[in-house]
Amino acid sequence: DTEVTQTPKHLVMGMTNKKSLKCEQHMGHRAMYWYKQKAKKPPELMFVYSYEKLSINESVPSRFSPECPNSSLLNLHLHALQPEDSALYLCASSQDQGGPNYGYTFGSGTRLTVV
Amino acid sequence: QKEVEQNSGPLSVPEGAIASLNCTYSDRGSQSFFWYRQYSGKSPELIMFIYSNGDKEDGRFTAQLNKASQYVSLLIRDSQPSDSATYLCAVFNSGYSTLTFGKGTMLLVSP
Repeated sequence: DTEVTQTPKHLVMGMTNKKSLKCEQHMGHRAMYWYKQKAKKPPELMFVYSYEKLSINESVPSRFSPECPNSSLLNLHLHALQPEDSALYLCASSQDQGGPNYGYTFGSGTRLTVV
Repeated sequence: QKEVEQNSGPLSVPEGAIASLNCTYSDRGSQSFFWYRQYSGKSPELIMFIYSNGDKEDGRFTAQLNKASQYVSLLIRDSQPSDSATYLCAVFNSGYSTLTFGKGTMLLVSP
């Protein structure tokens, strides 16, 4: 299995809703990432988990809350989002955060629209 | 601030031509370099990575790295309309242990 699976593929939520994005990989990768990508912009790093521990938080607002329940699963909990948070949310994984790096494998993304 | 610079394009080439995509980076300590292809509305797909100075070839794709000039490029031979996409250059920062992406170059291959 060489895939990163993200669900849902599309999500529309109101500003008072609570929702979660899910990401799963079964490649034995020990680093997992959340990126946010706006239209015609590069992916922007949000969070990094290494060996199930949060290693990087790129000063992301607290309305985004990551969780890594186990080495294969990564969640992003969303609460009280703003319309400007509408974007493509990408999950990625890699063998390890540091050391020799063979690139990140990205999931297909969740297209989030906040209304 | 680690910088990865790319010309946003669009770069337009006719079908069958060679497309040349360029990327410069600011961190001299960068160790590994990646090219991702991203179709509109889709997620990035890794197409090449390179660690050592020189050329690396994979099918129609050739990645070129010059660490002294802090320059990495991607050549696509015999370009096809299906190659039309945004190509993201990414650089691995060993100190920060993450990938930094350039803004991407849009490639348009006309039939």
